[in-house]
Amino acid sequence: NAGVTQTPKFQVLKTGQSMTLQCAQDMNHNSMYWYRQDPGMGLRLIYYSASEGTTDKGEVPNGYNVSRLNKREFSLRLESAAPSQTSVYFCASRPRDTAYEQYFGPGTRLTVT
Amino acid sequence: RKEVEQDPGPFNVPEGATVAFNCTYSNSASQSFFWYRQDCRKEPKLLMSVYSSGNEDGRFTAQLNRASQYISLLIRDSKLSDSATYLCVVNAANKLIFGTGTLLAVQP
Repeated sequence: NAGVTQTPKFQVLKTGQSMTLQCAQDMNHNSMYWYRQDPGMGLRLIYYSASEGTTDKGEVPNGYNVSRLNKREFSLRLESAAPSQTSVYFCASRPRDTAYEQYFGPGTRLTVT
Repeated sequence: RKEVEQDPGPFNVPEGATVAFNCTYSNSASQSFFWYRQDCRKEPKLLMSVYSSGNEDGRFTAQLNRASQYISLLIRDSKLSDSATYLCVVNAANKLIFGTGTLLAVQP
């Protein structure tokens, strides 16, 4: 079991460029999440997907889009990157509807110049 | 007021010491509570869930006080390997709300 995997590990973008962060889990979890973590702030939820085919906005969705491609994969897209999107991005999944703990991938460190 | 508040620290303690972290939360309807550990430049990892009756896992003890809306984590006999940031996490409306974390540095 690889758990939650994310690619890439690091990325540098110029302002205005686009990219997609990939996340996959092999634990057969229904729910998946995307967070960003900035210095001095707690993890903030960008988008989540309660099940295949559904997505919902979190606390900070502006500037992002997501796709729940299938049960395993949940991608995060930046259409036109801005320096304010420089952050560490974590994907997470949740085992079942009756349990609320989440399990995280290793993260993607994104710098937008 | 932040939904989940923690003392950012750092807590600098010698090996073998006992250290306690507290956390307060604002949503009285919260039902699930957790402590996560995050090492530098790594992902958060679940340390333990927090139950109303309190729970213990080896050197770690978690307590929940619903009336006062606070959660605590006690670490006994601190090890160098306990050095990390400890995140207090509360479930509200099926979403996890994270505190900013408390940094623990265990000194030899």
